[in-house]
Amino acid sequence: KAGVTQTPRYLIKTRGQQVTLSCSPISGHRSVSWYQQTPGQGLQFLFEYFSETQRNKGNFPGRFSGRQFSNSRSEMNVSTLELGDSALYLCASSSSTGRGFRAEAFFGQGTRLTVV
Amino acid sequence: AQSVTQLDSQVPVFEEAPVELRCNYSSSVSVYLFWYVQYPNQGLQLLLKYLSGSTLVESINGFEAEFNKSQTSFHLRKPSVHISDTAEYFCAVSERNPGNTPLVFGKGTRLSVIA
Repeated sequence: KAGVTQTPRYLIKTRGQQVTLSCSPISGHRSVSWYQQTPGQGLQFLFEYFSETQRNKGNFPGRFSGRQFSNSRSEMNVSTLELGDSALYLCASSSSTGRGFRAEAFFGQGTRLTVV
Repeated sequence: AQSVTQLDSQVPVFEEAPVELRCNYSSSVSVYLFWYVQYPNQGLQLLLKYLSGSTLVESINGFEAEFNKSQTSFHLRKPSVHISDTAEYFCAVSERNPGNTPLVFGKGTRLSVIA
């Protein structure tokens, strides 16, 4: 079974630009979550999608957005990039259904975004 | 809201020595607990999890963790570490009810195994 695939692995963008990151979950998983990892703040939750609906959202500005498609693939978008957005962005998929059970999350290798 | 504290940011240990990575959590409801490991330039891999039942959980590579509800802890231990265990370890918690709260991670503990 293929794991969680994130593309691209590395990105360099300029301040003010926007960026779109992609995540393909494990086949059959309908829950996809996104996390931002930085040395200072650690792993911070961005949002979670389940069956094309945003189910949870972290404390990030509106410049960060996401969506999920009918095949469970997910994208996240960051507009008007700032230097502080430089981070490793991790996607995780799980078989969680939200009915009182949290299945384990499987993580992709991440996309390392550098904003210059 | 739940939170996780990993008390040590870095832990150096000699090869074949025992190690304990400490994790304490805070939550007003029952929780699920997880330990993840991250190798350089990689994503996170699940090491072990506590969902219910026995409070002692084990991984296939010799790590174990014990859920202690009274002390709100979930410390990770290994009796004898190897060079290959060098990595960053993250403790995470998710609230049991309603069951769809996101994972909250600690800041991580960097384990360095010295030959």
